[in-house]
Amino acid sequence: AQSVAQPEDQVNVAEGNPLTVKCTYSVSGNPYLFWYVQYPNRGLQFLLKYITGDNLVKGSYGFEAEFNKSQTSFHLKKPSALVSDSALYFCAVSLRGTGNTPLVFGKGTRLSVIA
Amino acid sequence: DSGVTQTPKHLITATGQRVTLRCSPRSGDLSVYWYQQSLDQGLQFLIQYYNGEERAKGNILERFSAQQFPDLHSELNLSSLELGDSALYFCASSQRDSVDYEQYFGPGTRLTVT
Repeated sequence: AQSVAQPEDQVNVAEGNPLTVKCTYSVSGNPYLFWYVQYPNRGLQFLLKYITGDNLVKGSYGFEAEFNKSQTSFHLKKPSALVSDSALYFCAVSLRGTGNTPLVFGKGTRLSVIA
Repeated sequence: DSGVTQTPKHLITATGQRVTLRCSPRSGDLSVYWYQQSLDQGLQFLIQYYNGEERAKGNILERFSAQQFPDLHSELNLSSLELGDSALYFCASSQRDSVDYEQYFGPGTRLTVT
């Protein structure tokens, strides 16, 4: 079975500092990995995905994530945080190559960027 | 705006009742997914339809059912409602029947069961 762990419920960072939101996954094969963001009273918005190829994936709003197979991680990063980045971030995983396997989401990490 | 619409935005109903949530996918998207988001369970996949056919099932209770119509809109029916069914219900759509296509989420329907 697939699973995703986001070990931090909350991450606080000062504006202008780099941010990292952690994600580790467990699948019995090769994963598809995704990051989504949820702003208050809104649905989830797609940020980026790893399917195959380059381990460093660049996405929307200056975010990037690095796929690390040996550590089964897919941490979300941004070099310089903005107050507007404050939101709930979800990591998700699916199993590649098995047809249509639904996404499994982590519990979410609340990012708070302080001015 | 993702292009996915959901109605109603809010729904308050009593235990034992039945409700229907509606979702219209983005233009051109054939696949519709339903999710439930609650504080204790997080975001859980319920069910997926592709071009009118059920494609995948997740943690969907027997009291819940869904369908996708020929015009591709989808409805999620929740019956014999319990207090624990109170949650945000999201619909998402994607172009194809494959999870590597991004899913675009609607704004959600907040269901409160009293």
